[in-house]
Amino acid sequence: QKEVEQNSGPLSVPEGAIASLNCTYSDRGSQSFFWYRQYSGKSPELIMFIYSNGDKEDGRFTAQLNKASQYVSLLIRDSQPSDSATYLCAVNPRGYSGAGSYQLTFGKGTKLSVIP
Amino acid sequence: EPEVTQTPSHQVTQMGQEVILRCVPISNHLYFYWYRQILGQKVEFLVSFYNNEISEKSEIFDDQFSVERPDGSNFTLKIRSTKLEDSAMYFCASSATWGFLNTGELFFGEGSRLTVL
Repeated sequence: QKEVEQNSGPLSVPEGAIASLNCTYSDRGSQSFFWYRQYSGKSPELIMFIYSNGDKEDGRFTAQLNKASQYVSLLIRDSQPSDSATYLCAVNPRGYSGAGSYQLTFGKGTKLSVIP
Repeated sequence: EPEVTQTPSHQVTQMGQEVILRCVPISNHLYFYWYRQILGQKVEFLVSFYNNEISEKSEIFDDQFSVERPDGSNFTLKIRSTKLEDSAMYFCASSATWGFLNTGELFFGEGSRLTVL
């Protein structure tokens, strides 16, 4: 069974600090990886996606992927109180160039609290 | 900005009743989905729909569930005889998936909360 594991938290960081969120996955065939942010009672919102090993940066966010270790992480620099939410890691067996549906397997999420 | 819209936002029903949840995906998207999230649990894939037929479905999506695209815009999820354990937030989503259009983004609607009593 495909599993995506995340520490449930809560992870508390002071405003301006770096928040580090981690995720491991069991399906070695997974090809694409996503970080979603979910505010309480709201729908998931895509933060970043990554397909290749290494780092991918977008503003204050950096996703890191290590397929050999089956590990994905998300770093949030200069954390703001508005970043307080649950962060969901999700994986998909299909890669960037593949047509097909997004049958995503989600982790349970890590709750992040940024303290002013 | 285009968005996925869902109705109703909240539905309360009695166990054994039929429920239909409705969604309007983003107009130029090709794949449509239903995911659900039981309170405090993971977001779970139910079904994907492409070219007017089911593309993939999970083991959760049993004979009690069905999906339909009755016209050019709506996408529905029907639960024939609801059970207590069907209580969850149901998210509709859509994606553009052909190679060069593949932005990697699954666009979620705001969800329909189903409460089965």
